[in-house]
Amino acid sequence: DAKTTQPPSMDCAEGRAANLPCNHSTISGNEYVYWYRQIHSQGPQYIIHGLKNNETNEMASLIITEDRKSSTLILPHATLRDTAVYYCIVRVAGGSQGNLIFGKGTKLSVKP
Amino acid sequence: DTGVSQDPRHKITKRGQNVTFRCDPISEHNRLYWYRQTLGQGPEFLTYFQNEAQLEKSRLLSDRFSAERPKGSFSTLEIQRTEQGDSAMYLCASSLAELRASGDEQFFGPGTRLTVL
Repeated sequence: DAKTTQPPSMDCAEGRAANLPCNHSTISGNEYVYWYRQIHSQGPQYIIHGLKNNETNEMASLIITEDRKSSTLILPHATLRDTAVYYCIVRVAGGSQGNLIFGKGTKLSVKP
Repeated sequence: DTGVSQDPRHKITKRGQNVTFRCDPISEHNRLYWYRQTLGQGPEFLTYFQNEAQLEKSRLLSDRFSAERPKGSFSTLEIQRTEQGDSAMYLCASSLAELRASGDEQFFGPGTRLTVL
């Protein structure tokens, strides 16, 4: 079973920041938080991952609470093309664990 | 395009027939994964390979399912005696697994949508 909890859906206005929350209260010390998204009829796409420090890349920012029990993915200026299902996943990075365990994710709808 | 490719993109078959899907990963990636996704659900793990070795199989992978990666490059997923419950999107992903903190993100292909009539 997925070790994360996400709201089933969210709306965001185009051009505004989209803040997607994720709870992972049972995360272990060696587990990272990963975010993927899946645009309709496409395969999932990696967005970002982090351990305990906040991370930023060209797609998004990841804010992890100090106790690591929750995190927020931030899309700073959402566009219509960001409409997708966003999955928050916790796993051990590197070679010791293979598969990703997906939950149902959050369906983000960006509206004009 | 050097991403993960899958063939075919769509397959319609009759119940009881055998089907085979192919996945070509990103060339330098040593890990290859198969997932299955049904409508409204997130992808579910089926199996993965590191090079040519099949390292893990999910209990979802019944005896009718078999996957191979004979030369550590492309992979095939075969379903024998298909059932209507096999209708789903079959996704392939690849990664470069390293024993360090980052760099093993999985890159997914577009999937093969199977419909069993």
